[in-house]
Amino acid sequence: AQSVTQPDIHITVSEGASLELRCNYSYGATPYLFWYVQSPGQGLQLLLKYFSGDTLVQGIKGFEAEFKRSQSSFNLRKPSVHWSDAAEYFCAVGADRGSTLGRLYFGRGTQLTVWP
Amino acid sequence: KAGVTQTPRYLIKTRGQQVTLSCSPISGHRSVSWYQQTPGQGLQFLFEYFSETQRNKGNFPGRFSGRQFSNSRSEMNVSTLELGDSALYLCASSSVSLAGGSGEQYFGPGTRLTVT
Repeated sequence: AQSVTQPDIHITVSEGASLELRCNYSYGATPYLFWYVQSPGQGLQLLLKYFSGDTLVQGIKGFEAEFKRSQSSFNLRKPSVHWSDAAEYFCAVGADRGSTLGRLYFGRGTQLTVWP
Repeated sequence: KAGVTQTPRYLIKTRGQQVTLSCSPISGHRSVSWYQQTPGQGLQFLFEYFSETQRNKGNFPGRFSGRQFSNSRSEMNVSTLELGDSALYLCASSSVSLAGGSGEQYFGPGTRLTVT
């Protein structure tokens, strides 16, 4: 079965510093991978997605993520964090076949705090 | 293009009551998925509808049900509410077709349900 692990529950960085949020997935085939962000009291906003092709994907708000099949990872990065990036970040994997079609499996999320 | 809308945004119910939540997908999207988000369990998949048919169901009791109308709007119903049903219920729409592919999902702001 598919699963997603986000090892870091909470990360704190200073504004302007670089950021990397970790995500590891378990899936038997090439997965569809996503990063979402959630601000307090809000729904989830899609930051970026990987379906196939170039393993380095660009998203909104200056975020990027790299798919590494050998490590089953899809880490999210940003070179310079802004105070407005403080939120909770979720990694998700989607299936492309069978009974799990259309369903997303989410990690438990990483809460990002940004110090001024 | 308008995003996913959910009504109501906030709801307070008493144990034993039932509740109906509504979701209107992005225009043209035919797939609607529902997720429950709680601090303890994280984001959990409830079910997905496509063209008025439930295509996938998560591991929730039969008290949780849903339906989709011909205009792709969806409702989810919870009967005999329990305290543990207090959660943020998120709806997501996608343009994924029956032919396959886990398309990106766009989330609404959620309905915050409190059971007392």
